[in-house]
Amino acid sequence: DTGVSQDPRHKITKRGQNVTFRCDPISEHNRLYWYRQTLGQGPEFLTYFQNEAQLEKSRLLSDRFSAERPKGSFSTLEIQRTEQGDSAMYLCASSRGRRGTEAFFGQGTRLTVV
Amino acid sequence: AQTVTQSQPEMSVQEAETVTLSCTYDTSESDYYLFWYKQPPSRQMILVIRQEAYKQQNATENRFSVNFQKAAKSFSLKISDSQLGDAAMYFCAYRIGDDKIIFGKGTRLHILP
Repeated sequence: DTGVSQDPRHKITKRGQNVTFRCDPISEHNRLYWYRQTLGQGPEFLTYFQNEAQLEKSRLLSDRFSAERPKGSFSTLEIQRTEQGDSAMYLCASSRGRRGTEAFFGQGTRLTVV
Repeated sequence: AQTVTQSQPEMSVQEAETVTLSCTYDTSESDYYLFWYKQPPSRQMILVIRQEAYKQQNATENRFSVNFQKAAKSFSLKISDSQLGDAAMYFCAYRIGDDKIIFGKGTRLHILP
């Protein structure tokens, strides 16, 4: 157990519904990352935070996606008006903000849009 | 564009044998760090080994070692004495400074008993 926890582990939703995922990073880590992983592929970067500041958003992140990290602790990723193409594993990771440090991953939230 | 290429989608190795997974990357930066992550089936991703680009010495962690060729931008992972528990997806990744980590598409490793 690396200490990054994600909730829920699985989510099935109907197309067009909104979903929200939560990530609790390792407590002393000020960096928090969201990645999306489809079957048999590597994690694709979505966005990341330094404390509560969102530093970068991938072009993959459409305007239906929004992420927050209030008070620099846990983070939420919301997907509005879900589409079948949103079905994927959503991974959260955290790290210290030092150069070259590795990221520690949670177990992910598997989203299925039906 | 900064990319990581893993040219072997799948590999198999006999238990107790040695296997090498390939990875190449493309960056014009000089301050970067390289990683190999392991993702077992239905389990979370964990770090296998880490290499600083400014270090010439190849990193080693028990049965896992890397061959880092900076000029060729190559970063292969060697697993010695393969064990059944090594079966997993392996991802090569790099990080520029304190920026985000970029991953390759992965290599699925099968261990044959």
